[in-house]
Amino acid sequence: SYELTQPPSVSVSPGQTARITCSGDALPKQYAYWYQQKPGQAPVLVIYKDSERPSGIPERFSGSSSGTTVTLTISGVQAEDEADYYCQSPDSSGTYVFGTGTKVTVL
Amino acid sequence: EVQLVQSGAEVKKPGESLKISCKGSGYSFITYSIGWVRQMPGKGLEWMGIIYPGDSDTRYSPSFQGQVTISVDKSVSTAYLQWSSLKASDTAMYYCAVKGIAAPGDNFDYWGQGTLVTVSS
Repeated sequence: SYELTQPPSVSVSPGQTARITCSGDALPKQYAYWYQQKPGQAPVLVIYKDSERPSGIPERFSGSSSGTTVTLTISGVQAEDEADYYCQSPDSSGTYVFGTGTKVTVL
Repeated sequence: EVQLVQSGAEVKKPGESLKISCKGSGYSFITYSIGWVRQMPGKGLEWMGIIYPGDSDTRYSPSFQGQVTISVDKSVSTAYLQWSSLKASDTAMYYCAVKGIAAPGDNFDYWGQGTLVTVSS
């Protein structure tokens, strides 16, 4: 089955830049989407179609794509950005796959 | 305002059946697909399946095909996720989410609050 692979954890100091990668064989052909999930809360979409930002999402969140890897970048990380982040993309069966998830810790 | 309101927490025994719900409001219910996502305790998000309310076309992730049934009742703008025989391993938080309303594409931009299902003898 199709898999999207993320690093388990990323640690970053306040004000620095966090980069979270997501790797998958189909990513050159499919868009990726990114979600933020804080403890006890439902996920929130932060990036769609690789690099678009939904209304209400801070400008410090950005996305990019290169080959089989997509990247979520959080510039000027704030304490409130501490959360789990998941990438998501369509798979070949017509449904969707989530990445393995990355815990972002703000030091 | 777009809202997805899910039914309340459930505690069931192994072998029992269960149907949980997700009621949409604030948008054209039949126009946008609704997906279901599982999150086991302390674990990541898993896609279960998706239904298009307009014609009830349903697709399941291979991991969940045959394990659950997704359905919809357009008359009450509600999607359902059901099990015929629960197992302890079905203990999880279940989320519904609607696709592509605020932002076009395969993104799920509105989510329900989640329904916690606990299966224990």
